[in-house]
Amino acid sequence: DAGVTQSPTHLIKTRGQQVTLRCSPKSGHDTVSWYQQALGQGPQFIFQYYEEEERQRGNFPDRFSGHQFPNYSSELNVNALLLGDSALYLCASSFALAGLGVSYNEQFFGPGTRLTVL
Amino acid sequence: SQKIEQNSEALNIQEGKTATLTCNYTNYSPAYLQWYRQDPGRGPVFLLLIRENEKEKRKERLKVTFDTTLKQSLFHITASQPADSATYLCALGGKSYSSASKIIFGSGTRLSIRP
Repeated sequence: DAGVTQSPTHLIKTRGQQVTLRCSPKSGHDTVSWYQQALGQGPQFIFQYYEEEERQRGNFPDRFSGHQFPNYSSELNVNALLLGDSALYLCASSFALAGLGVSYNEQFFGPGTRLTVL
Repeated sequence: SQKIEQNSEALNIQEGKTATLTCNYTNYSPAYLQWYRQDPGRGPVFLLLIRENEKEKRKERLKVTFDTTLKQSLFHITASQPADSATYLCALGGKSYSSASKIIFGSGTRLSIRP
């Protein structure tokens, strides 16, 4: 049983460019959350997807957008990259309580994508 | 605004001793609290979840307490081993539909167990 997978593992971009990060959740999970983790900090919640819709969003600008596909995999897109977007981007999957669309359960994190913006 | 505080300085413990990590929070009424372990360059790994109506949770050598009056959680590792060396993250989830999934993480405490 594969856990959460993310691609690519590392990425180098320049300011102003756009980037797409990908995530495949753990088998049986239907909810995907994305986090940004700066060096020495804890993960910061970007948004969560459930049933192909963005259900919750943290304090991130509209430059950050996402998508969830019917197979529950997800993408994180960041437009107009800034130097401050350099971070480890983590994807976490869980399963939502039936009928509630809310996940109180443990999250399984992927290994992350290290994004460097020059 | 909501704030989670964990020991910002690294914690150095002799092997075999009990390591105790602290998580304090303000301006928040969480429905549950989680502890994660994170090794360098890797994603966090879930360890324990404790709900607001629970005082204590145990799992093997791990013990978590949750005091909603003090707004504090303590995380204990008994009989610590060098392999327990890692950063430990505290995370809170809210009660409402909108906040339950919007988990807030602390900045973590780096734990080092010396042989």
